[in-house]
Amino acid sequence: QITLKESGPTQVKPTETLTLTCTFSGFSLTSRPVGVGWIRQSPGRAPECLALIYWDDDKRYSPSLKSRVTITKDTSKNLVILSMINTDPLDTATYYCAHRRDYDGNWNGGAFDIWGQGTMVTVSS
Amino acid sequence: DIQMTQSPSALSASVGDRVTITCRASQSVSNWLAWYQQKPGQAPKLLIYQASSLESGVPSRFSGSGSGTEFTLTITSLQPDDFATYYCQHYNSYSSFGQGTKVEIK
Repeated sequence: QITLKESGPTQVKPTETLTLTCTFSGFSLTSRPVGVGWIRQSPGRAPECLALIYWDDDKRYSPSLKSRVTITKDTSKNLVILSMINTDPLDTATYYCAHRRDYDGNWNGGAFDIWGQGTMVTVSS
Repeated sequence: DIQMTQSPSALSASVGDRVTITCRASQSVSNWLAWYQQKPGQAPKLLIYQASSLESGVPSRFSGSGSGTEFTLTITSLQPDDFATYYCQHYNSYSSFGQGTKVEIK
């Protein structure tokens, strides 16, 4: 059974760096074609894909956030980490990590079949 | 960036109704299109992937069709559990979501 769970601060101040951790189980991020993504959703808005990392450490980023976001993995601990620099109140959202539905191809992105419960982050002074 | 536009943004329907939601892409996304259902306070749930493939465990009253720039999600007989917000997502060149369609009780 695949599970994912997000953790991190509930609040950060503007311009600070936000670091979120996704702890997963039930799959290995060392096997082709596994991928894990981070998606956020501001209140009342549509989800927004932030970043995606694959088993081979290939990464994809949202074009609009690429300069501020970094995704990394620690396969020994089953973790995927998202870092966002220079945060702004507009970054206030629920942040989800999710398992990319296994598909050996189209490495530009993917559908997400299993999601974590999400963690709410407020950016405010 | 590819923009995804859903219509309508909201609809009212009764149990048993047939419901159709449309998603249009600003350029072709081939068949790299997914549909999700989201209820308040919950994460999105994958219903359809690759435009028309039903995710395991999803009731067969849900179906998807389309390719290129125009896609539809159809619920053949709306059930009480189906009142929710529905999103399309392309994953052709990276990814983006439509703005959502809220299905409300009539």
